[in-house]
Amino acid sequence: QVQLQESGPGLVKPSQTLSLTCTVSGGSISSGSYYWSWIRQPAGKGLEWIGRIYTSGSTNYNPSLKSRVTISVDTSKNQFSLKLSSVTAADTAVYYCARDKVVVVAATLFNWFDPWGQGTLVTVSS
Amino acid sequence: DIQLTQSPSFLSASVGDRVTITCRASQGISSYLAWYQQKPGKAPKLLIYAASTLQSGVPSRFSGSGSGTEFTLTISSLQPEDFATYYCQQLNSYLALTFGGGTKVEIK
Repeated sequence: QVQLQESGPGLVKPSQTLSLTCTVSGGSISSGSYYWSWIRQPAGKGLEWIGRIYTSGSTNYNPSLKSRVTISVDTSKNQFSLKLSSVTAADTAVYYCARDKVVVVAATLFNWFDPWGQGTLVTVSS
Repeated sequence: DIQLTQSPSFLSASVGDRVTITCRASQGISSYLAWYQQKPGKAPKLLIYAASTLQSGVPSRFSGSGSGTEFTLTISSLQPEDFATYYCQQLNSYLALTFGGGTKVEIK
């Protein structure tokens, strides 16, 4: 079964760029017509979708973060990555990667995230 | 922006209770949404997608229903392992993806 694992620095200085990688195991990132998403959760708060990528390289970003986010994919390594620039303390959160199934039925879009990585805590502090 | 409002935000219940969580959308864009369960320190786990389809491996005591702007997650008989926080989530366009604020289910 497919498993996802986030990796990257746990501490990032303000104004710098947060960089995380999600490694997919147990299956090819290129198979099954899936998107691959990043989601974050500040401590004690709810979930916020950051953005997604398809293995073709096509991306969608949350408009509230779009100016600072870049998601990329490396199919040869079965990985996808997140870069978030100009970080502040407000970007401190647990960051999750997840497989993202998007379906269109009768012009209606819906999706679900499954599975998820275990999450990695990124703290923005000097 | 479309908002998803979950109610209640906190619920105290006993083992064996029937529990219902509601998720209301500020606009009726999609007839489908997903429900997730999150335990402390763990990643969310998919329970239900497309409003009422049970994810493989999820116990049948979980069920989902609804359409338009009101959706519900029901646990028919609450078990000790069900004490967790539950989130609804909806995709309204490729750019507008929203999570509800969460419902924490605790032991009475």
